[in-house]
Amino acid sequence: EVQLVESGGGLVQPGGSLRLSCAASGFIFSDYEFNWVRQAPGKGLEWVSYISNSANTIYYADSVKGRFTISRDNAKNSLYLQMDSLTAEDTAIYYCARERTSSLYSFDSWGQGTLVTVSP
Amino acid sequence: QSALTQPASVSGSPGQSITISCTGTSSDVGGYNSVSWYQQHPGEAPKLIIFDVTNRPSGVSNRFSGSKSGNTASLTISGLQAEDEADYYCSSYTDNSTPLFGGGTQLTVL
Repeated sequence: EVQLVESGGGLVQPGGSLRLSCAASGFIFSDYEFNWVRQAPGKGLEWVSYISNSANTIYYADSVKGRFTISRDNAKNSLYLQMDSLTAEDTAIYYCARERTSSLYSFDSWGQGTLVTVSP
Repeated sequence: QSALTQPASVSGSPGQSITISCTGTSSDVGGYNSVSWYQQHPGEAPKLIIFDVTNRPSGVSNRFSGSKSGNTASLTISGLQAEDEADYYCSSYTDNSTPLFGGGTQLTVL
């Protein structure tokens, strides 16, 4: 069974940092591309970042470029999101999402999400 | 980039069909056959129900169907059921090599 489990969320002050993790199981992690998608409370989905299988290609949304860093460890079946210089606008549930193979940005598996709250 | 345009809400009675539109530009929806649709129930993660405009993942009911004309993609749900009440989001690949989501549509089953 495919499983994605996020962790690392919590309450952080403006300007602070957090590192999110996503542990994958039930499939060959290195075969897939991954993304982070976030959802502010009561709002819609917002794509955050993409990383290719071997981490050779990475993209970020303009809203997080220069502040967030996506990475992965294929040996540990894990995806990460380092978030620096956090602001209130970054408050959201953060989901890791697996991309369906041979389909651009179709996310066929999602974690349960981890809540990040940026507040004084 | 602004979100793809979806109606904020739609409603229908059990057994009826409804259609949710997703309007973009030639730089996203109109330029690529890479439109996906997601269903999200309250408190849950989104679920992929349509990919590449018209395709259903294994296990998704054939009551869900997708289409596209020009810069507008559409999701149709036929034989509406109470369990279909949820939020629905479209997304599309864009010229920036990144995806763009729609603002979301709340479906109410009357």
